[in-house]
Amino acid sequence: KAGVTQTPRYLIKTRGQQVTLSCSPISGHRSVSWYQQTPGQGLQFLFEYFSETQRNKGNFPGRFSGRQFSNSRSEMNVSTLELGDSALYLCASSLDSYEQYFGPGTRLTVT
Amino acid sequence: GQNIDQPTEMTATEGAIVQINCTYQTSGFNGLFWYQQHAGEAPTFLSYNVLDGLEEKGRFSSFLSRSKGYSYLLLKELQMKDSASYLCAVREGLTGGGNKLTFGTGTQLKVEL
Repeated sequence: KAGVTQTPRYLIKTRGQQVTLSCSPISGHRSVSWYQQTPGQGLQFLFEYFSETQRNKGNFPGRFSGRQFSNSRSEMNVSTLELGDSALYLCASSLDSYEQYFGPGTRLTVT
Repeated sequence: GQNIDQPTEMTATEGAIVQINCTYQTSGFNGLFWYQQHAGEAPTFLSYNVLDGLEEKGRFSSFLSRSKGYSYLLLKELQMKDSASYLCAVREGLTGGGNKLTFGTGTQLKVEL
């Protein structure tokens, strides 16, 4: 069974731009969660989507948004990028509310 | 909210046993996870505890005491490949269910010869 895939793996953007990251969950998994990982703050929960609906949300500003499609693939969007948004963005899929499988992440650098 | 504490770094010898502690303060609790993350890689699931007690899985065991807000991960027969960051994460008890994990900042374990 294929694992969680994320595209692109690396991305360089300029302050003020916007970016869209993509995540394809493991086949059959309907829950997709997004996390931001930085050296200073560690792994922080952004949001979770389940059956195309946002089920849970972390404490990030409205510049961070997401959506989920009918095939469970999910996208995350960050608008008006700031230098502090430079991070590894991880998505994780789950069959149920138990074990989450993480993708390899997208490394975003904002200059 | 959630507050999770774990040591920043630990060093142990190959073949030995190491215990990584995690304490948490939560407004709601629905399980505690341990993940392993090698440098430059994604976290991988190690264990899950929702009830008090010890869960054993091969060389890895995890313990939970909900009344004390305390968990530990025990690694036996340490191998060099166990050098990694170990992340403790608490899932909130949410009325709508689902996954909202709060992670500790991780314990960087270094295994030496």
